[in-house]
Amino acid sequence: QKEVEQDPGPLSVPEGAIVSLNCTYSNSAFQYFMWYRQYSRKGPELLMYTYSSGNKEDGRFTAQVDKSSKYISLFIRDSQPSDSATYLCAMSAVGGKLIFGQGTELSVKP
Amino acid sequence: KAGVTQTPRYLIKTRGQQVTLSCSPISGHRSVSWYQQTPGQGLQFLFEYFSETQRNKGNFPGRFSGRQFSNSRSEMNVSTLELGDSALYLCASSLILATSTDTQYFGPGTRLTVL
Repeated sequence: QKEVEQDPGPLSVPEGAIVSLNCTYSNSAFQYFMWYRQYSRKGPELLMYTYSSGNKEDGRFTAQVDKSSKYISLFIRDSQPSDSATYLCAMSAVGGKLIFGQGTELSVKP
Repeated sequence: KAGVTQTPRYLIKTRGQQVTLSCSPISGHRSVSWYQQTPGQGLQFLFEYFSETQRNKGNFPGRFSGRQFSNSRSEMNVSTLELGDSALYLCASSLILATSTDTQYFGPGTRLTVL
């Protein structure tokens, strides 16, 4: 079993929809949680970063961490075609290497 | 400010050959990490270099090696290539060690195909 599980999709939504992306993990030592966005033929870019539990909001994006359930989420409000990309969750313990989920491919249709 | 650059962008090799990939980090960044990305396994950490020293290593066989030069540029080498080594190899740089709190900036990757 992988340390980090993420549904690879693909996920297709209409423009303006709320998108929910999720990851589960098994290592209770994970303290840092990140979401990366990867466009086709590009490297991943950091979208959101959260330490420990709680919520973090940045514009249309909200990241949530529930350590008791070992579950993290990324919500995208008012989704746009430009949000079409692969979204990767990543997490690590203190001083540890980043462990990535498999990535969810998102397509937002105009 | 220039981003992370990787060369070459595409590479085709045959089984048994070896390959060297290059990564130039963002100016001023001292840490370079390498990752392998495949559809089946996703993004997996290979190793990290900081100040020319390997600081962290993932679970890959010894055929995968790397080094870092005094200007922080890094190379990754894969010897005796296998079909399963076909992947996108990504390099990421960060200002200091790629700790959990230091943002890593990724390059566009090198697409390696092994025939």
